[in-house]
Amino acid sequence: KQEVTQIPAALSVPEGENLVLNCSFTDSAIYNLQWFRQDPGKGLTSLLLIQSSQREQTSGRLNASLDKSSGRSTLYIAASQPGDSATYLCAVSDNTDKLIFGTGTRLQVFP
Amino acid sequence: DAGITQSPRHKVTETGTPVTLRCHQTENHRYMYWYRQDPGHGLRLIHYSYGVKDTDKGEVSDGYSVSRSKTEDFLLTLESATSSQTSVYFCAISERQEGYGYTFGSGTRLTVV
Repeated sequence: KQEVTQIPAALSVPEGENLVLNCSFTDSAIYNLQWFRQDPGKGLTSLLLIQSSQREQTSGRLNASLDKSSGRSTLYIAASQPGDSATYLCAVSDNTDKLIFGTGTRLQVFP
Repeated sequence: DAGITQSPRHKVTETGTPVTLRCHQTENHRYMYWYRQDPGHGLRLIHYSYGVKDTDKGEVSDGYSVSRSKTEDFLLTLESATSSQTSVYFCAISERQEGYGYTFGSGTRLTVV
């Protein structure tokens, strides 16, 4: 059974810091890995999608990497801003027709 | 989110009444999903569909049923709502192929009193 874990569970940093959020999964037979952002009381916004054949994806200040063999992904946020404050969710899709979510990292960036 | 809408956005209902939530997509994606999100439990899959009239259970399917009579619509029904079904419900769509991610709706906040 696929299990997804995210570390740390919560993170509070001053504005301007570079951040690394971690995601690990137990079964490397995945199709895709997707990072989402969720603001309080809101839905999920897709940030980055990494296909199983890819090593990384970048969008603006965000960079996500994937190491299938070790079952790990990292989300790097450069020059963090207060507007980055949200919960970040990692999720993997595999051949079970399901998207399995991690536990999430709650990020707070203070001015 | 563009291409996927959920209705209603908010609903308060009484224990024991039936409730139907609707998910509508304009992307013609084959796969549709219903998740619930609760504090301390994260997102959990209720039911999903892999085509018209083709559905399967997720990890928390008890007390819920679904129907998909058209590609674009996926309905979630609580036959007799209970307080434990108070939650935020999200619909998602996907093609479930490499390179296709999941797109989520804005959610339905359901309160059962």
